[in-house]
Amino acid sequence: SAVISQKPSRDICQRGTSLTIQCQVDSQVTMMFWYRQQPGQSLTLIATANQGSEATYESGFVIDKFPISRPNLTFSTLTVSNMSPEDSSIYLCSVEGHWIYGYTFGSGTRLTVV
Amino acid sequence: DAKTTQPPSMDCAEGRAANLPCNHSTISGNEYVYWYRQIHSQGPQYIIHGLKNNETNEMASLIITEDRKSSTLILPHATLRDTAVYYCIVRVASAGGTSYGKLTFGQGTILTVHP
Repeated sequence: SAVISQKPSRDICQRGTSLTIQCQVDSQVTMMFWYRQQPGQSLTLIATANQGSEATYESGFVIDKFPISRPNLTFSTLTVSNMSPEDSSIYLCSVEGHWIYGYTFGSGTRLTVV
Repeated sequence: DAKTTQPPSMDCAEGRAANLPCNHSTISGNEYVYWYRQIHSQGPQYIIHGLKNNETNEMASLIITEDRKSSTLILPHATLRDTAVYYCIVRVASAGGTSYGKLTFGQGTILTVHP
């Protein structure tokens, strides 16, 4: 199965600033997914990122707040813009592996906005 | 993708089998059942998946009822390290078996394994 390196693992940020999270995969993948997990909650999909096209956002998430880049088949970034304390969450990237192994997730970025 | 219903929490004694149920009464014929777990502060981990036959791997067994409206994940000898949130997800896969697209997570079952 794919191996994902996600950076940073955690950060504490001031409100009004932006944070860019990086996701590097050790193999080429068509789709990459970004999730948010608010404290005590399940995972919610933010968007799907395909290489060479604009990301597809889920209801409730907009590009201005969560811009995504997908410059090649092994890398993606998610930016959390103009942060507020409500953005404090764990952000995870995921890729679809071979169907035997299912999806692989990064270890997550724990973001705290103060 | 079909919705799933899981109990919010379960307990299990260490060394005993943990049986985690999942209802997916609206599952379609081309939807697979996937199980993932999330250990505290880590990303979700794939456990097992199946279509209609029972499946077993080194981590767990998956029992799917004949009508496919429910399934049970079995951890045969639970350890303290199996304490986690377990998610049951149903989703479409292509005819060749390659899945595609997003995973939609429900609230899952918090399994606590105690000594």
